[in-house]
Amino acid sequence: GESVGLHLPTLSVQEGDNSIINCAYSNSASDYFIWYKQESGKGPQFIIDIRSNMDKRQGQRVTVLLNKTVKHLSLQIAATQPGDSAVYFCAENIGSNFGNEKLTFGTGTRLTIIP
Amino acid sequence: DAGITQSPRHKVTETGTPVTLRCHQTENHRYMYWYRQDPGHGLRLIHYSYGVKDTDKGEVSDGYSVSRSKTEDFLLTLESATSSQTSVYFCASRQGPSNQPQHFGDGTRLSIL
Repeated sequence: GESVGLHLPTLSVQEGDNSIINCAYSNSASDYFIWYKQESGKGPQFIIDIRSNMDKRQGQRVTVLLNKTVKHLSLQIAATQPGDSAVYFCAENIGSNFGNEKLTFGTGTRLTIIP
Repeated sequence: DAGITQSPRHKVTETGTPVTLRCHQTENHRYMYWYRQDPGHGLRLIHYSYGVKDTDKGEVSDGYSVSRSKTEDFLLTLESATSSQTSVYFCASRQGPSNQPQHFGDGTRLSIL
């Protein structure tokens, strides 16, 4: 899961298996959530998002689950591939007046796919 | 991704010098953001812009200023660089109102000696 420590949580998964990455968010007023993937030397890449009026959203090989009761978000990646190796982090958005919505980012989980 | 380019990609400079980082986007996005990324921290917002000449501070704005004279360009300036500003800087943009993702450039690695 997410951590504010100096060392990122790590998750190692065998190629072809499914992986689940967890994120605990902080603000019960958050109404929009995003998962990003960041490869070494690159910027964060948008994977999937979900609004707070939904519990689940599916994309290509990815599913995001939202549990507002316990303020928990998860990213499931199906049939992992070597290219899935990266740091994954969640972001939460607190809705506010038009124009100044800001995202709060977690520190990330490093996913390693074992061939 | 969203056609965001950052320049330079790498820079080494000395304490006390001014530094300007440039972000250029080709998507006509209204909102633009500057973040820094450091070990042990998530991305932290420095400044953001919600339109040409419209900017506001983020959570770590001290020592930084920004300008946006055109929709496509957002500049971040370190007035007098300090070693604590050694970091990787990311620019992002967003198309419209809330509940849309921000899209990021590939970053500028800045080292201040």
